[in-house]
Amino acid sequence: DTGVSQDPRHKITKRGQNVTFRCDPISEHNRLYWYRQTLGQGPEFLTYFQNEAQLEKSRLLSDRFSAERPKGSFSTLEIQRTEQGDSAMYLCASGSGPTNTEAFFGQGTRLTVV
Amino acid sequence: RKEVEQDPGPFNVPEGATVAFNCTYSNSASQSFFWYRQDCRKEPKLLMSVYSSGNEDGRFTAQLNRASQYISLLIRDSKLSDSATYLCAVRWDDKIIFGKGTRLHILP
Repeated sequence: DTGVSQDPRHKITKRGQNVTFRCDPISEHNRLYWYRQTLGQGPEFLTYFQNEAQLEKSRLLSDRFSAERPKGSFSTLEIQRTEQGDSAMYLCASGSGPTNTEAFFGQGTRLTVV
Repeated sequence: RKEVEQDPGPFNVPEGATVAFNCTYSNSASQSFFWYRQDCRKEPKLLMSVYSSGNEDGRFTAQLNRASQYISLLIRDSKLSDSATYLCAVRWDDKIIFGKGTRLHILP
């Protein structure tokens, strides 16, 4: 499967714990996005990487959230001291640019904070 | 004004009918435009990009009006399998911003 891969697919954690999600983009895609989606809403933009550089970060991304893409390939999203309001689907998308500007999504990681 | 706004749904439409989705965006510097389809509890999948001259892919037609900052999607001869949520997306700078989506139910 050469699509965007996310791990884990599901995560249940207790409030206050830290969680980390991984995204493997489509090979050679230089653009990588993280989104959060809750029921009945569209994906909300969190952050964007061009290769290893984090170029854009939403105000939604509080200081409890951090994302990295150390070698310009896979990316991780960490949430520290999780809160119940963090429960959502976390989606990763990748794209190659600049002329092919579409982004392709992984299947997401569903986080439940109890 | 929200960055990307779509028609509130849901749309309940009989099979075979034509359905139109509308979307407006706030940033006049937007560079690229897309329609995605999302099935229940699945990830969004790219349906089509939207080009300035408008474009068609089978039963699907997308239009862009830059002056009005408006995008549309038309589905002709709708099928039961078209039931899904349709998301409008707009790219500016380094972000792709999505609308809330419009849910479509095709009725047999």
